[in-house]
Amino acid sequence: DVQMTQSPPSLSASIGDRVTITCRASQSISTHLHWYQHKPGKAPKLLIYAASSLQSGVPSRFSGSGSGTDFTLTISSLQPEDFATYYCQHSYNTPRTFGQGTKVEIK
Amino acid sequence: EVQLVESGGGLVQPGGSLRLSCAASGFTFSDHYMDWVRQAPGKGLEWVGRTRNKANGYTTEYAPSVKDRFTISRDDSKDSLYLQMNSLKTEDTAVYYCARGQQSHSWYFDLWGRGTLVTVSS
Repeated sequence: DVQMTQSPPSLSASIGDRVTITCRASQSISTHLHWYQHKPGKAPKLLIYAASSLQSGVPSRFSGSGSGTDFTLTISSLQPEDFATYYCQHSYNTPRTFGQGTKVEIK
Repeated sequence: EVQLVESGGGLVQPGGSLRLSCAASGFTFSDHYMDWVRQAPGKGLEWVGRTRNKANGYTTEYAPSVKDRFTISRDDSKDSLYLQMNSLKTEDTAVYYCARGQQSHSWYFDLWGRGTLVTVSS
């Protein structure tokens, strides 16, 4: 199985900060990597698919990059509504696996 | 409105069974692969399994942790997805989400429900 390792597990940031979350796959997964935002009690929300494609309706402050084993989600200027947990997920094969999540909290 | 709504969660004893449903609306359900994903209390997201669409034979795949205990099915005439859970264990306690599969350069989940809570406890 492909293992996904996210870092950091949590971070504290201020409004307007640039935030970077990384995700590493245990083997090459090309660009079969996606990013989701999850808030308590809500449905998870797709942000980025295929490593760098912005999902329709998602603000342009979100961006993704990477290929192979190393990937990055960047929030260019953190907004109040961005405080949430972020997950990466691969779809290279099954089982699909998620990273452990990164909780973004208010500093 | 395009949405997925899960139902059927509740309290069940270890070894028991439960059937979850996911009602789809606002899109052509029969076109899509559909997946189940769960989140145990205080934990991250875990993929449970998927069913392909009719064009791909309604075939299914499961995570090793649920294989041979859980069964995913669908009724395209009712725009509904199901998860039959048997031989439940305490570690199956989680919020269960249904998710719509989408493909553009890769497969991903572009629509999720809000989940239904399953608690396995004596």
